[in-house]
Amino acid sequence: NAGVMQNPRHLVRRRGQEARLRCSPMKGHSHVYWYRQLPEEGLKFMVYLQKENIIDESGMPKERFSAEFPKEGPSILRIQQVVRGDSAAYFCASSPRLAESSYNEQFFGPGTRLTVL
Amino acid sequence: DQQVKQNSPSLSVQEGRISILNCDYTNSMFDYFLWYKKYPAEGPTFLISISSIKDKNEDGRFTVFLNKSAKHLSLHIVPSQPGDSAVYFCAADIIQGAQKLVFGQGTRLTINP
Repeated sequence: NAGVMQNPRHLVRRRGQEARLRCSPMKGHSHVYWYRQLPEEGLKFMVYLQKENIIDESGMPKERFSAEFPKEGPSILRIQQVVRGDSAAYFCASSPRLAESSYNEQFFGPGTRLTVL
Repeated sequence: DQQVKQNSPSLSVQEGRISILNCDYTNSMFDYFLWYKKYPAEGPTFLISISSIKDKNEDGRFTVFLNKSAKHLSLHIVPSQPGDSAVYFCAADIIQGAQKLVFGQGTRLTINP
């Protein structure tokens, strides 16, 4: 059973370009979380999605960032007009969300390391 | 506002001894706490967790203690092994709702032979 897959693992962009990060959840998982880790910091929640729905985007910057999780295919985190401050590791986690009244484990992918030149 | 804090950026322990990693939180709404282990260039891996209705949870060499009145939790690893060298993140959650994890800054644990 393959784990959470993210690609690319490393992405280099120049200022002003677009970055697209992809996440394929574990088989059977329909819930996806995106987290960002800046250098020397912990992971910070960005967005929580179910198939075709954004459930909570309270951690997403208001501009340039968007996320989707279509009915078919991976979840995409899109960053438009990247700036140097966007350089970070972006982690995706998936969860089965089997129960609402207990914790549903999140399984993390290996991350995409974005470098903005 | 840092709701989950790990005040020790690094910790060095001799192999075979006990490693104690600490974590403080400020939000009394948190009702579930987790420890993750992370190696370089990999994603975090779940290690152990504890519900707020308990004060201790043990799994092999790993034990997590929760002191709700002090809003403090700790991870004990005994005996420490070289393979335990990694960055350890404390995380907190609220079960009802999105279950979005709030992470501390991490503690880099080094086990010396």
